[in-house]
Amino acid sequence: EDKVVQSPLSLVVHEGDTVTLNCSYEVTNFRSLLWYKQEKKAPTFLFMLTSSGIEKKSGRLSSILDKKELFSILNITATQTGDSAVYLCAAFLGSGGSNYKLTFGKGTLLTVNP
Amino acid sequence: KAGVTQTPRYLIKTRGQQVTLSCSPISGHRSVSWYQQTPGQGLQFLFEYFSETQRNKGNFPGRFSGRQFSNSRSEMNVSTLELGDSALYLCASSFSGQPQHFGDGTRLSIL
Repeated sequence: EDKVVQSPLSLVVHEGDTVTLNCSYEVTNFRSLLWYKQEKKAPTFLFMLTSSGIEKKSGRLSSILDKKELFSILNITATQTGDSAVYLCAAFLGSGGSNYKLTFGKGTLLTVNP
Repeated sequence: KAGVTQTPRYLIKTRGQQVTLSCSPISGHRSVSWYQQTPGQGLQFLFEYFSETQRNKGNFPGRFSGRQFSNSRSEMNVSTLELGDSALYLCASSFSGQPQHFGDGTRLSIL
């Protein structure tokens, strides 16, 4: 059974702190690893990672994938209250141009206090 | 560019009824996927359509069905509603599978 596990499940930090969110996966037909941010409504796409060791950055957020050890991390530096959200990790699976789907972890609830 | 549009935003039904949810993908996107989100189970994959063909289906009972039209719009139908079907139903679109961009969802409540 395909499995994506995120840790920690929740995290409370102060503004300005740096946080690291973890995601490990055990899946078949792996194609990529995606990170989303979910506040009240739609999950918002952050990163898609397909290659090991190549860091993707967007402002204060960065992410990296290790395909040998089957995990990814999402770093957020200098956190702000607006970073408070659930961060979702998902493995995109599929083979032969079909059977495409995202398998999600349960998410990490990040709370940034002023 | 308009995002993924889901209608209705909220829906209240009673057990035994059926419901149809609608999803309009981002212009040019041909793949549409549906997910169910609940506090206990998180986000779970329902099915994925591409060019009017269902390419993949998750582990949900046959009461859950969907279809995609020639303009890539998609509908999801749930028949004989049960209390456990109360959830946020999310639709996501992509050009060919990834990355997927989500709509705001339809909040379905079963009384």
